[in-house]
Amino acid sequence: GDSVTQMEGPVTLSEEAFLTINCTYTATGYPSLFWYVQYPGEGLQLLLKATKADDKGSNKGFEATYRKETTSFHLEKGSVQVSDSAVYFCALSTGNQFYFGTGTSLTVIP
Amino acid sequence: DTAVSQTPKYLVTQMGNDKSIKCEQNLGHDTMYWYKQDSKKFLKIMFSYNNKELIINETVPNRFSPKSPDKAHLNLHINSLELGDSAVYFCASSQDGALRAFFGQGTRLTVV
Repeated sequence: GDSVTQMEGPVTLSEEAFLTINCTYTATGYPSLFWYVQYPGEGLQLLLKATKADDKGSNKGFEATYRKETTSFHLEKGSVQVSDSAVYFCALSTGNQFYFGTGTSLTVIP
Repeated sequence: DTAVSQTPKYLVTQMGNDKSIKCEQNLGHDTMYWYKQDSKKFLKIMFSYNNKELIINETVPNRFSPKSPDKAHLNLHINSLELGDSAVYFCASSQDGALRAFFGQGTRLTVV
């Protein structure tokens, strides 16, 4: 069945470091892909999305490219900030069903 | 083996009805959650519950109530359904204190 696998973490980085959080997926058909971010004590906010192969989603300095050949949607940011500390969830949607990864905790230290 | 399962996947019902959405997790986790996904795909936390504490988001109407018959289940009951309750509802679980969570596939509720 459809599923999403993301790196477990936790990930700890120094401010201004480069961030990659890996996400791969398994799906029949052509899913849409998402990254969500959850700040402490809050719900999940949509960070970015891509709806077809080779699309790049971007927001707040974060980017992810929909790679059909490698079934991946890795999240990247060139220079992280302390305020980026949160839990990041990769997800895919096929029609009305959503499949979430289990989340990767990111801590950015000054 | 589905870690977190919700039933039903789709639910269409009339205004004023009372309905329930069931959630079960087989991971042995201590904490379970209910989220509501809005039209902008934001997942708003409604409840979190473990065997010690129920935390309710104060913005959730009291028509919504979680019920946990045991540690592996957290069902969502909704009374007097309104059109604005139409949304996708997600159940999730985590080990108490952990940041990672396992989500169900969602239940699309449509109130007509």
